[in-house]
Amino acid sequence: EDQVTQSPEALRLQEGESSSLNCSYTVSGLRGLFWYRQDPGKGPEFLFTLYSAGEEKEKERLKATLTKKESFLHITAPKPEDSATYLCAVRPGGYQKVTFGTGTKLQVIP
Amino acid sequence: ETGVTQSPTHLIKTRGQQVTLRCSSQSGHNTVSWYQQALGQGPQFIFQYYREEENGRGNFPPRFSGLQFPNYSSELNVNALELDDSALYLCASSLIGQGVVEQYFGPGTRLTVT
Repeated sequence: EDQVTQSPEALRLQEGESSSLNCSYTVSGLRGLFWYRQDPGKGPEFLFTLYSAGEEKEKERLKATLTKKESFLHITAPKPEDSATYLCAVRPGGYQKVTFGTGTKLQVIP
Repeated sequence: ETGVTQSPTHLIKTRGQQVTLRCSSQSGHNTVSWYQQALGQGPQFIFQYYREEENGRGNFPPRFSGLQFPNYSSELNVNALELDDSALYLCASSLIGQGVVEQYFGPGTRLTVT
């Protein structure tokens, strides 16, 4: 069965203090690994899709990387508006079910 | 481009009742997936609909059922509601084919069962 484990569960950063969120996964034939941002009481907002080990994608202060067992979401010089829960999810090849982790709740303090 | 919309926003039901949630997919998308998200948890896959048929299902009982219409909108029906069904229900649309794999979520429907 596909599994996604995210760490840490919660992270508190000072504004400008860079850090990384971790997503460890096991999946049968990775079709795509996804990162989403979710604000309280709202639907997840799509950030990135990574397809194969070694791939990297960037968007503003966020950079996602992928290895065969893990993905990292690096946050450079975060701002208070980056505060949210960040979700990682995987989709196996040949099947539509997407498995999510429980997320990392990020709080950026001014 | 029109995003994913869901209705209603909030809903309160009594245990044993039935509920219908609605979703309109993003324009150009042909697939709708439904997820249940309990407080503090990640979304759990309920099922997916493609070409008006169920195209994959997670570990949810048969009292969770769905429909997809020719315009790609969708409904989630839950019968015999239980207290544990209280959650945020999310709809996500995507496009099968053309190498696209990501899903785009709607704002969700918050269901409370008392």
